[in-house]
Amino acid sequence: DGGITQSPKYLFRKEGQNVTLSCEQNLNHDAMYWYRQDPGQGLRLIYYSQIVNDFQKGDIAEGYSVSREKKESFPLTVTSAQKNPTAFYLCASSSSPNTEAFFGQGTRLTVV
Amino acid sequence: GQQVMQIPQYQHVQEGEDFTTYCNSSTTLSNIQWYKQRPGGHPVFLIQLVKSGEVKKQKRLTFQFGEAKKNSSLHITATQTTDVGTYFCAGPLGGYQKVTFGTGTKLQVIP
Repeated sequence: DGGITQSPKYLFRKEGQNVTLSCEQNLNHDAMYWYRQDPGQGLRLIYYSQIVNDFQKGDIAEGYSVSREKKESFPLTVTSAQKNPTAFYLCASSSSPNTEAFFGQGTRLTVV
Repeated sequence: GQQVMQIPQYQHVQEGEDFTTYCNSSTTLSNIQWYKQRPGGHPVFLIQLVKSGEVKKQKRLTFQFGEAKKNSSLHITATQTTDVGTYFCAGPLGGYQKVTFGTGTKLQVIP
């Protein structure tokens, strides 16, 4: 089945630890995105990438890092510099900028 | 800064009533997309509008893009319990490649 997969679904980490969220797509999409969603809030853009080995900061990139070494993969690292990392993280991909975006199931990160 | 606002933030309706959510951008958009997120789920694409003044329909849902391409609306006729969820608009704000989501409207339908 074609789609976008995020893992794990739930993740618990201790404060001060870095953690990497996985995002893989087999849709052959060029564009990939990471969003953060807090309870009752909208989606805020963390990072986006339009092509392999290239990515840009979104609106709330501080404390996060990404890589795009392969077209199908766009992992997000939540670093210890992120002040309030507990949130629901959503990865998305689209064939080209501003076309239909397909979302993964999301990763719910809890930092204790 | 540039942003996309939606109103209302929350809406409770009786089943069978109509519902409308409005999306307003601080700048002109080349296009606008609408998504629906069910409780506990992920956003799912509904539609994309590109032309000024464009109106598109999907069964009971009617989408409209404003003449100035700075606002949009989603209207649901005769709501059903399956319409429950949060509706988001999204558009390229601050750059063609940067898709920014609106603040969302959470719809609750009372049976």
